Amino acid sequence: GENVEQHPSTLSVQEGDSAVIKCTYSDSASNYFPWYKQELGKRPQLIIDIRSNVGEKKDQRIAVTLNKTAKHFSLHITETQPEDSAVYFCAASSGVGSGGGADGLTFGKGTHLIIQP
Amino acid sequence: GAVVSQHPSWVICKSGTSVKIECRSLDFQATTMFWYRQFPKQSLMLMATSNEGSKATYEQGVEKDKFLINHASLTLSTLTVTSAHPEDSSFYICSARDAGTGSHRQYFGPGTRLTVT
Repeated sequence: GENVEQHPSTLSVQEGDSAVIKCTYSDSASNYFPWYKQELGKRPQLIIDIRSNVGEKKDQRIAVTLNKTAKHFSLHITETQPEDSAVYFCAASSGVGSGGGADGLTFGKGTHLIIQP
Repeated sequence: GAVVSQHPSWVICKSGTSVKIECRSLDFQATTMFWYRQFPKQSLMLMATSNEGSKATYEQGVEKDKFLINHASLTLSTLTVTSAHPEDSSFYICSARDAGTGSHRQYFGPGTRLTVT
């Protein structure tokens, strides 16, 4: 099955600086890579996602890059703000399960992002 | 759009009893829903894939007779934790994929916090 590694587990940056979180995956069949932000006790919120036919995607201050050959993808947050403080999870999915149905997400262990004022 | 609800948001039950959790897609149809479990300060772990009109697919190590899943309609999946024990105490979160778009995106419910005493 898929295995997703995420680093670092904790990241502290000064407000206004950039933050980068990196993930690697093991299953070459994975083709969908979302990033979620989760605040304490709340649901994960999708912040950006990328399909394997794209190398980079950007949405305002957030960007994701994907290197299929190396099987790694990264989240980039620029001009960080206090409200960016949360736990961020990367995930991977092949989209299709072993039975031919939809495939669930395999999550990384999460990164606790702390924005220092 | 793409709203997923869960009920109840929290529940406390006694050891040995059963608890049912509902997951509903409010404004879209979901042929596939997913159930995840999240222990404190840990990542989300996929438990099972719920398929409308057919049997659920369980991940390795998840007991299908303990975690009963029913996906009776295109907008509702239920998870029943049978004979609950304190070690089943966790945050249970469902997600759903929009069958109409064919997108890989999963929309998460707000979660159900289960405490077994």
